Amino acid sequence: ILNVEQSPQSLHVQEGDSTNFTCSFPSSNFYALHWYRWETAKSPEALFVMTLNGDEKKKGRISATLNTKEGYSYLYIKGSQPEDSATYLCAFRTMEYGNKLVFGAGTILRVKS
Amino acid sequence: EAGVTQSPTHLIKTRGQQATLRCSPISGHTSVYWYQQALGLGLQFLLWYDEGEERNRGNFPPRFSGRQFPNYSSELNVNALELEDSALYLCASSLSAGVTEAFFGQGTRLTVV
Repeated sequence: ILNVEQSPQSLHVQEGDSTNFTCSFPSSNFYALHWYRWETAKSPEALFVMTLNGDEKKKGRISATLNTKEGYSYLYIKGSQPEDSATYLCAFRTMEYGNKLVFGAGTILRVKS
Repeated sequence: EAGVTQSPTHLIKTRGQQATLRCSPISGHTSVYWYQQALGLGLQFLLWYDEGEERNRGNFPPRFSGRQFPNYSSELNVNALELEDSALYLCASSLSAGVTEAFFGQGTRLTVV
């Protein structure tokens, strides 16, 4: 069974706080790691796709790092804003499982103003 | 360009009935994924279709089935509905090859009463 684990399950922070979440995945047969943001009543929206060990991606105040050898990725949000409130999903691709996307359960972020 | 579209948006069925959910991928995308999000749970992988064939399926009973048509649109059928089938069903599409993002539809909210 292919497990992708995300922690914490939920997070409540104050506006302006910086925060980070973790995505853990099997380190063997790695192909790609995706991060998505899922706002209430909307579709999940792709944030990053990462493929190489040591990859770092950035989009505005959000950045992500990847360690394929140890099987984890971090998502960082600098200076959280209320509009960052969403569920953040990571998804793992491995050729061992036919390149399908396997999602973690997500981290729910709530930013209070 | 149109995104991934799903229909219907909401569906109410009684226990024992059949439900059919539909998904139209982004033009040019040949892969379609189906996911279930039951209340309180993360996204669970259901089915993956690519180029008209089922490539992989998740840990769901056989009464969950589907197909992909020559135009790459897809149907998810759920037979003999049970109360616990009540969930949000998301469809995503992507290009077939390589490391590409998956784009999601808005989902179909299925309620079984």
